[in-house]
Amino acid sequence: EADIYQTPRYLVIGTGKKITLECSQTMGHDKMYWYQQDPGMELHLIHYSYGVNSTEKGDLSSESTVSRIRTEHFPLTLESARPSHTSQYLCASIDRGTGELFFGEGSRLTVL
Amino acid sequence: SQELEQSPQSLIVQEGKNLTINCTSSKTLYGLYWYKQKYGEGLIFLMMLQKGGEEKSHEKITAKLDEKKQQSSLHITASQPSHAGIYLCGADSAYSGAGSYQLTFGKGTKLSVIP
Repeated sequence: EADIYQTPRYLVIGTGKKITLECSQTMGHDKMYWYQQDPGMELHLIHYSYGVNSTEKGDLSSESTVSRIRTEHFPLTLESARPSHTSQYLCASIDRGTGELFFGEGSRLTVL
Repeated sequence: SQELEQSPQSLIVQEGKNLTINCTSSKTLYGLYWYKQKYGEGLIFLMMLQKGGEEKSHEKITAKLDEKKQQSSLHITASQPSHAGIYLCGADSAYSGAGSYQLTFGKGTKLSVIP
């Protein structure tokens, strides 16, 4: 069982609100990722991190930002949510030894 | 960044039939991952392949990476309704030893298995 957790699982908010999606893993993994996925659609990499104080943007342009102050924590923030941000956000971390990528259960965001 | 093409996009098979899903890249694949996703749920790790010619099996699922490391196939033997879902291949964008950097995914193959 993977020890990677995302909160909240579901969130419905109004336009213009600031939100932070939390992602935590207790496996000591250096590399972590955020993906965005619309229902039935492909996964898009939006941010990744090599380790503490290291973050990079992924393939998909995103208005979100991330931070990596601690190894186990990789939060994603939207300063001003819009309906176009409605999607599922999946966090993942990778085991450097086995190469296995562990995914959280996802955060489903709906912006009204 | 890595572009991964999966084929077919969707597949409907009768229970008990064998099937194959392909994942192709124009670039060398460093670390090729196969995941399964049930609609609306998280991703389940199936297998990871790193070496050219490598083949791994788990229960009725076998994945192969070709010698050139540009194509991988996922084969399911005697499919069951429990195999239904979306199969995704993912790969590293660059060689990075153990682990990956910019891990990207194909668009997925939707598999339906009819009892």
